[in-house]
Amino acid sequence: KAGVTQTPRYLIKTRGQQVTLSCSPISGHRSVSWYQQTPGQGLQFLFEYFSETQRNKGNFPGRFSGRQFSNSRSEMNVSTLELGDSALYLCASSSNTGGNPPLHFGNGTRLTVT
Amino acid sequence: QQQVKQSPQSLIVQKGGISIINCAYENTAFDYFPWYQQFPGKGPALLIAIRPDVSEKKEGRFTISFNKSAKQFSLHIMDSQPGDSATYFCAAFSGNTPLVFGKGTRLSVIA
Repeated sequence: KAGVTQTPRYLIKTRGQQVTLSCSPISGHRSVSWYQQTPGQGLQFLFEYFSETQRNKGNFPGRFSGRQFSNSRSEMNVSTLELGDSALYLCASSSNTGGNPPLHFGNGTRLTVT
Repeated sequence: QQQVKQSPQSLIVQKGGISIINCAYENTAFDYFPWYQQFPGKGPALLIAIRPDVSEKKEGRFTISFNKSAKQFSLHIMDSQPGDSATYFCAAFSGNTPLVFGKGTRLSVIA
């Protein structure tokens, strides 16, 4: 069974631009969670979607948004990029509702904002 | 407010030694405590997990010790190998909150 796939692996953007990251969960998994990983803060929860509905949201500004499609694939969008948004963005899927573990992570998208 | 505190930030262990990483939590509603292992360029992968109804869980060289009264849990890696060199994250979960992570421990196992 294929794992969680995130695209692209790397992105370089300029301040003020926007970016969209994509995540394909493990087949059959309906819950998708997004995390931001930085050296100083570790893994911080962004949001979680289940059956196209956002069920949980972390403490991030409104510039961070996401959505989930009927096939469970998910995208997250960051608008008006700031230097501090440079991070590894991780997507994780779960077969359980509410982002219940175990979570299976993808290898992430490395976003660099210049 | 950090919900799960992890220590140490980094750890160097001799090959064959025991690696010990500690975590503490405050929220008594947490009922699932996993450990994740992350290699450079990869996402975190579930290593081992425990629920608070047991005090210890062992899988191969990896053991979780859980102290409910102290609200602490730890990961022990026996006979540490260079291939264990990675970043380890503890985490905690309850039905009402998403999985929350400690800040990670970078383990280096040297020959």
